[in-house]
Amino acid sequence: KAGVTQTPRYLIKTRGQQVTLSCSPISGHRSVSWYQQTPGQGLQFLFEYFSETQRNKGNFPGRFSGRQFSNSRSEMNVSTLELGDSALYLCASSLVRGTGSNYGYTFGSGTRLTVV
Amino acid sequence: ELKVEQNPLFLSMQEGKNYTIYCNYSTTSDRLYWYRQDPGKSLESLFVLLSNGAVKQEGRLMASLDTKARLSTLHITAAVHDLSATYFCAVDYYGGSQGNLIFGKGTKLSVKP
Repeated sequence: KAGVTQTPRYLIKTRGQQVTLSCSPISGHRSVSWYQQTPGQGLQFLFEYFSETQRNKGNFPGRFSGRQFSNSRSEMNVSTLELGDSALYLCASSLVRGTGSNYGYTFGSGTRLTVV
Repeated sequence: ELKVEQNPLFLSMQEGKNYTIYCNYSTTSDRLYWYRQDPGKSLESLFVLLSNGAVKQEGRLMASLDTKARLSTLHITAAVHDLSATYFCAVDYYGGSQGNLIFGKGTKLSVKP
């Protein structure tokens, strides 16, 4: 079966611009979570969506936002990009929300964002 | 707040040797996951540990979970170069702003001939 699809794979943006990243979860999975990975901070939680609703949000500024569509696909948006936003952005798909995921979380290939 | 600590953070091994990576966490959880990440790549799921005493093995890797001790181990047997990667443990925990999956900092494993 198809895995988690993230697009685009690579992005180069200029400071001040905005960017939208997309994540299509495994078919049937309704929960999508987003993580930012940087060498200094490691993997940090951004948000979780379930049934088109944001259920949980990490400690990131309001420039980071997201949404989920009725087909469970999710997008995240970063406005007014800063150099420090350069990172690998990963989305994770799971069958159910929160604890109790017997099948774990499947990650997409990620989007490598570089802000110059 | 749940804290997940892995050690060691860096591990240089010779091929053929055995070693164990440890993952301690600070709050009760019954589910723990191990992931592998190659440079520039995403996270590949290795093991899903769902209960106390769970033990899973795949090739040269074996993972175990002791929920009472809040400890998981990833044991590497007779290491080979192909195992060189960064290994993360992650604890399933509905932790509000921390998210559902709390990661350790990762163990960067380098296997040398």
